Amino acid sequence: AQKVTQAQTEISVVEKEDVTLDCVYETRDTTYYLFWYKQPPSGELVFLIRRNSFDEQNEISGRYSWNFQKSTSSFNFTITASQVVDSAVYFCALSEGGPMKTSYDKVIFGPGTSLSVIP
Amino acid sequence: DTGVSQNPRHKITKRGQNVTFRCDPISEHNRLYWYRQTLGQGPEFLTYFQNEAQLEKSRLLSDRFSAERPKGSFSTLEIQRTEQGDSAMYLCASVGLAGALDTGELFFGEGSRLTVL
Repeated sequence: AQKVTQAQTEISVVEKEDVTLDCVYETRDTTYYLFWYKQPPSGELVFLIRRNSFDEQNEISGRYSWNFQKSTSSFNFTITASQVVDSAVYFCALSEGGPMKTSYDKVIFGPGTSLSVIP
Repeated sequence: DTGVSQNPRHKITKRGQNVTFRCDPISEHNRLYWYRQTLGQGPEFLTYFQNEAQLEKSRLLSDRFSAERPKGSFSTLEIQRTEQGDSAMYLCASVGLAGALDTGELFFGEGSRLTVL
C-alpha cells in the first residue's frame, strides 16, 4: 500500500534562512508520481511540482528545489532564503501509476509540515 | 474563472440531516477526485472518477457517503444522516489526462466546509 511520511510536523525559521522539508514515501509500484502542494492560511491547495519515478533529476524553480532519491524513497523540498510569504502547510503526495501505467491513480497525501517564517 | 468550483462553500446542518456538495471541474478534465480534510491533517482520499466511472472508493468511507458524476462533467458528494464526525472541509480536484504524455496537474477547488451541529 502507498504511504507518505512527513516526519516534521512544524518548523520555524527566521527569514532568509534555508529550510528543507522531508518527505519519505512507500510504494510497491515501479511507476509512480510524487507531488508537493502548498496550503497557505487562505486554505486553497497550490500545486508546486509533480515528478514521475523515472525522472530522478533534481529540479530548481527560483528559490525552490527538490531532491528526489529513489534509493532512500525520499523527495525532499528545500526553500532557499525563506520569506514570510512561504509560511504555509506543505504537503507531499504520492500516486501510483494507473492501470495503463501512463497516468496516475489516487493521490495520497502526507500529514503535512507547517512552516512558519519569522520576520 | 475556469478553475474548479465547489458549492456551497459552507454548510451548517443538524445531525441526522442529509447534505450534498457539488463540484464543477475544469472544463474537459476527465478525472475528478474528492478529498476530506480536517484541521491539522492532510487531505484524505475519498473517491475518484474517470469521466462518469467511479474507479475507487476509500475503504474508510462509510455507506452514508455516495458520489456521482453522471455525465462525466460535474460531480456531487452526498452525505446521508450526517454525524458530528463528518464536520470537515470537502475538497474536489480535477486533472486532464492526455494519455501517455499527460502532464496533468491536479487542480483543487476552494472546498466546501461542513459543520454538523
